[in-house]
Amino acid sequence: AQSVTQLGSHVSVSEGALVLLRCNYSSSVPPYLFWYVQYPNQGLQLLLKYTSAATLVKGINGFEAEFKKSETSFHLTKPSAHMSDAAEYFCAVRSYSGAGSYQLTFGKGTKLSVIP
Amino acid sequence: SQTIHQWPATLVQPVGSPLSLECTVEGTSNPNLYWYRQAAGRGLQLLFYSVGIGQISSEVPQNLSASRPQDRQFILSSKKLLLSDSGFYLCAWSPRSIAKNIQYFGAGTRLSVL
Repeated sequence: AQSVTQLGSHVSVSEGALVLLRCNYSSSVPPYLFWYVQYPNQGLQLLLKYTSAATLVKGINGFEAEFKKSETSFHLTKPSAHMSDAAEYFCAVRSYSGAGSYQLTFGKGTKLSVIP
Repeated sequence: SQTIHQWPATLVQPVGSPLSLECTVEGTSNPNLYWYRQAAGRGLQLLFYSVGIGQISSEVPQNLSASRPQDRQFILSSKKLLLSDSGFYLCAWSPRSIAKNIQYFGAGTRLSVL
């Protein structure tokens, strides 16, 4: 079974500082991995995805993530935090549930605060 | 382009009352549909998913049920709400194509059971 662990339920960074949100996965098959962002009282928006192509994946809003098989990690980074990046971030791994349907198993989320 | 609609945005219901949350998708056909619940500090929990009309798979035994009366309509229901049903409910869809299996989420419904 696939699973995702996000280290740190809350992360605070100063505006302009590096953002690093950690995600480790467990998967019995080559994983498809995703990062989603959720702003308060809104749904989830896809930031980026890894689907077994390039290991460094670039997403929206300046975020990127690197797939490291040896470390079973898919950490999310952004060189310089902006106030608008304050949100909750979810890492997810895809698993096949049969009948042509895939499920996403989500981590518990990391809430990012950006300090002016 | 495809869009997903969820309503209502917020709902306050007494314990023991019924529930009906609706989700519709536009601009695509034969989508896979999903209902999630999000509780504080617990991430997202998949409740139901559907690969077609009348086809519902339940992930977690609970007080809720789901139905898919039309291709692009997914309904979450309960006959009698419990306090523990409070939470943020999210509907999502994904294309049927295996190569395009990103899930797209609605804006969510905040349910408070009092």
